[in-house]
Amino acid sequence: EAGVTQFPSHSVIEKGQTVTLRCDPISGHDNLYWYRRVMGKEIKFLLHFVKESKQDESGMPNNRFLAERTGGTYSTLKVQPAELEDSGVYFCASSQQGAINEKLFFGSGTQLSVL
Amino acid sequence: DAKTTQPNSMESNEEEPVHLPCNHSTISGTDYIHWYRQLPSQGPEYVIHGLTSNVNNRMASLAIAEDRKSSTLILHRATLRDAAVYYCILRDIAGNNRKLIWGLGTSLAVNP
Repeated sequence: EAGVTQFPSHSVIEKGQTVTLRCDPISGHDNLYWYRRVMGKEIKFLLHFVKESKQDESGMPNNRFLAERTGGTYSTLKVQPAELEDSGVYFCASSQQGAINEKLFFGSGTQLSVL
Repeated sequence: DAKTTQPNSMESNEEEPVHLPCNHSTISGTDYIHWYRQLPSQGPEYVIHGLTSNVNNRMASLAIAEDRKSSTLILHRATLRDAAVYYCILRDIAGNNRKLIWGLGTSLAVNP
C-alpha cells in the first residue's frame, strides 16, 4: 500500500514568487492534515481537512496561504507571495475517519527554501 | 504551547533498553498520550498511544504513571535504526479538535 506522498521534495524559490505543494494521502483516508516546521522550532499544525471540507484552519499563518482539497482526494497548499519566513519543512499527514485516536501517517515532507 | 516536557537528548547503546521519559503534569481526563518519532530526513511516524493502562506493540511499550502525570516510552532493544527524535504528545479526544501540539522532543542517539 502506498504511503502519503508529497511533491516536490524540495523547492527553492525567490521571495515574492508562488509555490504550490501537493499531498497525496493514503487511499481511503478522509482526514488530511498539513503541518510545518520552521528551522529550530516545533512542528506546528496548519490545517485539517475532512474529505473536501476544512475542519480546522486555525494554524494557517495568514492569507498568503491557501489550501485546497478538491474532490476529497489530494490536497494542495499554495503560498503566494512567498516570504522569507515561510521557509521550512511542510508535512502532510492522513488518517482514517471515525477512530477517536486515529493514527496519523506522514509524508516525507517538502523542504521549502525562500531566498 | 506543548503540554509535555521531555529531555532534549538521550544516548543509548545498541541492543540495550531505552527509557524515554515524558512529563505531562497538566494532563486532563480526556487527554490521550501519543508518541511519534521522526527519523532523519523522514516525516514523523506513529509509535504508540495510551490513556491509563500500559500498552505494548511491536515497536515499543508505553508505561503510564498511576496519576497519569508522566509516562515512559520503552524501546526494549535499541537498534541503530531507532536513532530519531521522539515526541510525546497529549491529544484531547473531547470535541472536534484533532490537531497534534508538538514539543521539541528527545533526540535519541544509539551507539554501536
